[in-house]
Amino acid sequence: EAGVTQFPSHSVIEKGQTVTLRCDPISGHDNLYWYRRVMGKEIKFLLHFVKESKQDESGMPNNRFLAERTGGTYSTLKVQPAELEDSGVYFCASSHDLGGIDYEQYFGPGTRLTVT
Amino acid sequence: AQSVTQLGSHVSVSEGALVLLRCNYSSSVPPYLFWYVQYPNQGLQLLLKYTTGATLVKGINGFEAEFKKSETSFHLTKPSAHMSDAAEYFCAVSPSGSARQLTFGSGTQLTVLP
Repeated sequence: EAGVTQFPSHSVIEKGQTVTLRCDPISGHDNLYWYRRVMGKEIKFLLHFVKESKQDESGMPNNRFLAERTGGTYSTLKVQPAELEDSGVYFCASSHDLGGIDYEQYFGPGTRLTVT
Repeated sequence: AQSVTQLGSHVSVSEGALVLLRCNYSSSVPPYLFWYVQYPNQGLQLLLKYTTGATLVKGINGFEAEFKKSETSFHLTKPSAHMSDAAEYFCAVSPSGSARQLTFGSGTQLTVLP
């Protein structure tokens, strides 16, 4: 079974540019999460999809961040325009959601974003 | 609101020595508790979790953790460190009854010395 994959693994962009991160969850996982770790700090929750619907986006920092999950499969996280403080590692995770019972979240390797 | 504190951003132990990584949480009700490990260039991997029942939880790779409600702690231990245990370890909590939104500690980098 393939794990959670994320693309790209690294991205270096200039302030003001746009970047789109992609996450492919494990096949069959309805739950998809985005987290972010800013350098030296804790990993923080950004948002949660159940299939294609945003269940919880309370962790999204501002309206420069837009997450989508069309068709309930892969997800994208777009940052536009990027600011210096957006630098960090963006993790995606997925899990089963059967009968309201939540299962283990499986994490991808992350995308390291550097904004210069 | 929930929070997690991991004491010691860096811990060094000798190979064969006891590993003890500390985690304390703050929550109005007992949450679900997790330990994750991240090896270089890999995603976070679940080591173990506590939801309900027995407070001593055994995980993969010989690790275990004990939920102590009175101390609001969930420390991770391993009797004998191996070189392959060198990694970053994260303690996390989620609301009781849900394994959804995780709140993480700041992580502890474990170094194993030969």
